[in-house]
Parts: sequence; C-alpha cells; structure tokens
Amino acid sequence: KAGVTQTPRYLIKTRGQQVTLSCSPISGHRSVSWYQQTPGQGLQFLFEYFSETQRNKGNFPGRFSGRQFSNSRSEMNVSTLELGDSALYLCASSLYIAGEEETQYFGPGTRLLVL
Amino acid sequence: AQKVTQAQTEISVVEKEDVTLDCVYETRDTTYYLFWYKQPPSGELVFLIRRNSFDEQNEISGRYSWNFQKSTSSFNFTITASQVVDSAVYFCALSEANYGQNFVFGPGTRLSVLP
Repeated sequence: KAGVTQTPRYLIKTRGQQVTLSCSPISGHRSVSWYQQTPGQGLQFLFEYFSETQRNKGNFPGRFSGRQFSNSRSEMNVSTLELGDSALYLCASSLYIAGEEETQYFGPGTRLLVL
Repeated sequence: AQKVTQAQTEISVVEKEDVTLDCVYETRDTTYYLFWYKQPPSGELVFLIRRNSFDEQNEISGRYSWNFQKSTSSFNFTITASQVVDSAVYFCALSEANYGQNFVFGPGTRLSVLP
C-alpha cells in the first residue's frame, strides 16, 4: 500500500508569490491534516479536511487556505508569501472512524524556502 | 488556552537504559485528546499514540508505554531498553474534543540513545 505522498518535496519562492502544495493520502483514507514546522514556532496545526470539508483550522492568517478533492487528495495554498512562511509543511492522513482510536500516517513533507 | 509543556529539552541515555519523557498539559476542556509523535533524523513524523481524556488506562506497546494521569495533567512516555533507533525528537500534543480543534504541540524532547 502506497504511503502518503507530498509534492513537491522542495520549493523556493520569493516574497509576495503564492504557492500550492499537494498531499495524496493513503488509499481509502478520508481525513487529511496539514501542519507547519519551523525552528522558531515548532510544530503547528494548520487545518484538517474530511470528505471535502474543512473540519478544523489552526490559528493561521487567511493567506493560508486549503481544499480537499473528492478523491481525498488535498492541496494547501499560501498567498502573498512572507519570509516567515519558510517551513517544513507536513501532511497526514487517517482512515477516521468516529469514536475509535486511529493511526495517522505522515508524508515526507514539503520544505518551502521563501527568499 | 491550551498548552503542552515538555520540560526536558534534550536527554541522552546509553543503549538498554529505560527513559521517560515527560508531558504536562493544560486545558479547560473535560473532553480532549493527547498524542505522542516521533520525528527521527529523516524528518518524517511518526504517530505513536492517541488517547482520549476518558481513558486513563496505561498503554503498553512493545517497548513503549504511556502513563496518563489526569490528577497531575500528565501523559508521560517511557521507552524500555532503549535502542539507538529510538534517537529522535518526541512531541506530545493536545487537542480539544473535536479531533484537530485547537491542536497544540509541545516543544519536543530530543532523545539521543548512545551505543
């Protein structure tokens, strides 16, 4: 079974540009979560999607957005990039069965550098 | 506001020693979820456990065990007979009742297991 894949793996952008990152979950998984990891702020939750709906959102400005498609693939978009957006962006998928303990599976991440 | 504290920034042990990683959390919610994640040098996060606030039973999985104590707001993680492959940064995290809501990570504990 293929794992969680994230594309691209590395990305360099300049301030003011926008970027779109992609995450393909494990087949059959319907929940996709996104996280940002920086040396200064550590790991932070961005948002979670389930069946094409954003269920939860972390404390990030509106420049950060995302969506989930009918095949559960998810994209996140960051507009008007700032230097502080340089980070490792991690995506995780899970089967999600309400009320049951479940395992999250993480992708390798996309490392974004904003110059 | 929710908060997770991992007071141990770095720990070094010699292989085969037991080691406990501390996690103390703060929340006003009566229903919440606690997590542990491992991030090896490769950078990819690995989900270890998710525990809801109603289940205070200790969990054991191979060499890993978790001690959840609501009375002290702690969710400590013990590795028995540590191995070099256990070297990683370990994160404790907390979320509100709805999975992903107000999801907060601790700063992490870097564990080095020396041969």
